[in-house]
Amino acid sequence: QVQLVESGGGVVQPGGSLRLSCAASGFTFSSYGMHWVRQAPGKGLEWVAFIRYDGSNKYYADSVKGRFTISRDNSKNTLYLQMNSLRAEDTAVYYCAKDPARIRYSMGYFDYWGQGTLVTVSS
Amino acid sequence: EIVLTQSPGTLSLSPGERATLSCRASQSVSSSYLAWYQQKPGQAPRLLIYGASSRATGIPDRFSGSGSGTDFTLTISRLEPEDFAVYYCQQYGSSPPLFTFGPGTKVDIK
Repeated sequence: QVQLVESGGGVVQPGGSLRLSCAASGFTFSSYGMHWVRQAPGKGLEWVAFIRYDGSNKYYADSVKGRFTISRDNSKNTLYLQMNSLRAEDTAVYYCAKDPARIRYSMGYFDYWGQGTLVTVSS
Repeated sequence: EIVLTQSPGTLSLSPGERATLSCRASQSVSSSYLAWYQQKPGQAPRLLIYGASSRATGIPDRFSGSGSGTDFTLTISRLEPEDFAVYYCQQYGSSPPLFTFGPGTKVDIK
């Protein structure tokens, strides 16, 4: 069965950096696009970033563009999110999510989600 | 950028009742790219419906989606105790790729 397990969250000061990881299993990771989606405490869902199956294309929400970088290591079945210049408004649970499109651009939705990792930006 | 509006914000119903949740888009959305998710407290979202009306794997048939253009609906035919949760609609625009969620509708027990 598909499993996505995020790690790397924690407390960081404004302006600081953090790298999140998402370990994938139960499917051919190298064949599927992957996303990061976040949820601020008590708020709704916000898409953050998408990477194609082979890492050839990456897309970001305007709110994180230039500060966050999505990447993947298909040999390790792992997705990453490097977060720099963190702000208080980046405080959220960060979920990795799988795109159902196999060797395609995107199906436009998220069929499996991890349990999330909490990032708190505070001094 | 397409904005999604969900109504009502909260829906108070009893088990066994029918729930009708609305998702309205500020511009026309391709039906292929409209999805619904369920989220319970402390849990990750779960995909319910994709392509506006296709149920995801393992989703009971009491959940159904419909609509086109700018108006979409999620219907739960008979609420079970485990259905009380927050429901989000989500759309995808392809140029450039952008994934947008609605603010959610909370279905709680009356």
